[in-house]
Amino acid sequence: AQTVTQSQPEMSVQEAETVTLSCTYDTSESDYYLFWYKQPPSRQMILVIRQEAYKQQNATENRFSVNFQKAAKSFSLKISDSQLGDAAMYFCAYRLNFGNEKLTFGTGTRLTIIP
Amino acid sequence: KAGVTQTPRYLIKTRGQQVTLSCSPISGHRSVSWYQQTPGQGLQFLFEYFSETQRNKGNFPGRFSGRQFSNSRSEMNVSTLELGDSALYLCASSAGQGAHETQYFGPGTRLLVL
Repeated sequence: AQTVTQSQPEMSVQEAETVTLSCTYDTSESDYYLFWYKQPPSRQMILVIRQEAYKQQNATENRFSVNFQKAAKSFSLKISDSQLGDAAMYFCAYRLNFGNEKLTFGTGTRLTIIP
Repeated sequence: KAGVTQTPRYLIKTRGQQVTLSCSPISGHRSVSWYQQTPGQGLQFLFEYFSETQRNKGNFPGRFSGRQFSNSRSEMNVSTLELGDSALYLCASSAGQGAHETQYFGPGTRLLVL
């Protein structure tokens, strides 16, 4: 079974600084997707960024980028120029790449932005 | 396009009762997945429906069931409620036709069982 581990329950960062959230996963599959979702206090899950395992290039979305290390099964999220609106729970998630919509989530990292 | 909608947003029930939650996917999406979120167990996959058929199922007891209608709207039912069923129930929709697609989540239904 696939598992996703987020070892940092809480993180904090000064506004405008950079922070990196860690995620590791375990799978015997070679073709899969990885995601970072954000859940603010409203509890709405919002997709931040996603990475296809077959792509070597790391995904980026504006201030958000990932460091995907397939051999190490590591998938970290870097947030640059942190803003107050980035404060939320961040979940790392895994999904197989065929006929299966099931997302397996990590336990989350609560990110606090210090003004 | 309107996003994923869930009704009701909040619900209070007592042990032994049953409850039905509703999820309307984004227009054109045919896949609806359900997740349970609790402080103790985190986010857990319940099941997924695609074109009115259950395509995948998580490890939940038979008290948890679902269905999908021809318009892709989905309902989730929990019978004989237990205190441990108190949770945020999230649904997510996608076109469901390819692995490159993304799931979009609704705002959730918060269920409290007393």
